[in-house]
Amino acid sequence: AQRVTQPEKLLSVFKGAPVELKCNYSYSGSPELFWYVQYSRQRLQLLLRHISRESIKGFTADLNKGETSFHLKKPFAQEEDSAMYYCALLNQAGTALIFGKGTTLSVSS
Amino acid sequence: GAGVSQTPSNKVTEKGKYVELRCDPISGHTALYWYRQSLGQGPEFLIYFQGTGAADDSGLPNDRFFAVRPEGSVSTLKIQRTERGDSAMYLCASSPSGGPGELFFGEGSRLTVL
Repeated sequence: AQRVTQPEKLLSVFKGAPVELKCNYSYSGSPELFWYVQYSRQRLQLLLRHISRESIKGFTADLNKGETSFHLKKPFAQEEDSAMYYCALLNQAGTALIFGKGTTLSVSS
Repeated sequence: GAGVSQTPSNKVTEKGKYVELRCDPISGHTALYWYRQSLGQGPEFLIYFQGTGAADDSGLPNDRFFAVRPEGSVSTLKIQRTERGDSAMYLCASSPSGGPGELFFGEGSRLTVL
């Protein structure tokens, strides 16, 4: 079965603290994984994808096949990082993204 | 603007009625997707168009749901005999080519069935 699990509904941190948003997946073969973000009153948008191995807005995510995880990390959270974050997995057919339930990140000063 | 446009932004209807939701993708994007998002859930895939044809409609929940994209641009999601359980945010997304790498989402159409 293809599935994405985000175990935390809400993550609250203070500004400057490290952040780790958890994502675990179930997939046969080599997965293609993404993080999408939705800021308040904005559209859902791509944050990063694992194949590009890039850092966007200070966030990185590493695919760990042994732990079937794709956690999103940032060393020092900023208030503007407050948003809903969704982990997504490309399905086996390559036709659709399977999204997790999302984690709300709240960064306070 | 050049983004994905969805209309209406809000639709309230009565159980049993017929509803149409429209999506105007980014110009030149050949791939178009419909997702449904219920409260507290992530977006759930409904259907994927490549050009005019539905390349994958495996996410449509039942035969009350249907979508078209007759000219390979604008798409309409049609829901017949609406039920209260159909209440959700319906999201449309497009991408420049086949395969959902980067999806560009619209703001969604919120459907409420009374």
